[in-house]
Amino acid sequence: DIQMTQSPSSVSASVRDRITITCRASQGIGSWLAWYQQKPGKAPKLLIYAASSLQSGVPSRFSGSGSGTDFTLTISSLQPEDFATYFCQQANSFPRTFGGGTKVEIK
Amino acid sequence: EVQLLESGGGLVQPGGSLRLSCAASGFTFSIYTMNWVRQAPGKGLEWVSVISDSGVTTFHSDSVKGRFTIFRDNSKNTLYLQMNSLRAEDTAVYYCAKDDRGGFTPTAVTDYWGQGTLVTVSS
Repeated sequence: DIQMTQSPSSVSASVRDRITITCRASQGIGSWLAWYQQKPGKAPKLLIYAASSLQSGVPSRFSGSGSGTDFTLTISSLQPEDFATYFCQQANSFPRTFGGGTKVEIK
Repeated sequence: EVQLLESGGGLVQPGGSLRLSCAASGFTFSIYTMNWVRQAPGKGLEWVSVISDSGVTTFHSDSVKGRFTIFRDNSKNTLYLQMNSLRAEDTAVYYCAKDDRGGFTPTAVTDYWGQGTLVTVSS
């Protein structure tokens, strides 16, 4: 199975800050990577697919990049509603596997 | 509007069985691949099972293989997860999730999720 390693596991930031979350795959996955946002008690929400494609309805302050084994999710200007946990998921092969998550907290 | 409504969770003893259901609406259920994903309390996401649009092809993670079975009834727009020989480590919220296409390809995007149903395995 492909292992996905996310870092950091948590980050404290302020509104309007720029933050970057990284995700590393244990082997090359091309651009088959998605990013999800999850708020407490809620289902995950798709933000980015195919490494850099923005899901319909997702604000443009979210962006993704990378290919192969190294990927990043960037939030250009944090908004109050962005404080949540973010997960990456590889979609290169079954079983699809997730990173451990990054909790974005208010500083 | 896509809606996925899970049900069937609850408290079960170790070694017991449970069947989860996911009622789908707002899209043509029979042409999309479907998944089950779980999340243990306070933990991350773990992908569990996938089934093709026709129901012919399935794949389960090693952690549930031989104990869980994913299946679907396209005439009822419903996805199921039959869980047998349950263990404490199966305790989690179980989410039903839809792919953005049919067939059976890992490269599809999982674009919609239900709100989940909690399964607790404990004596």
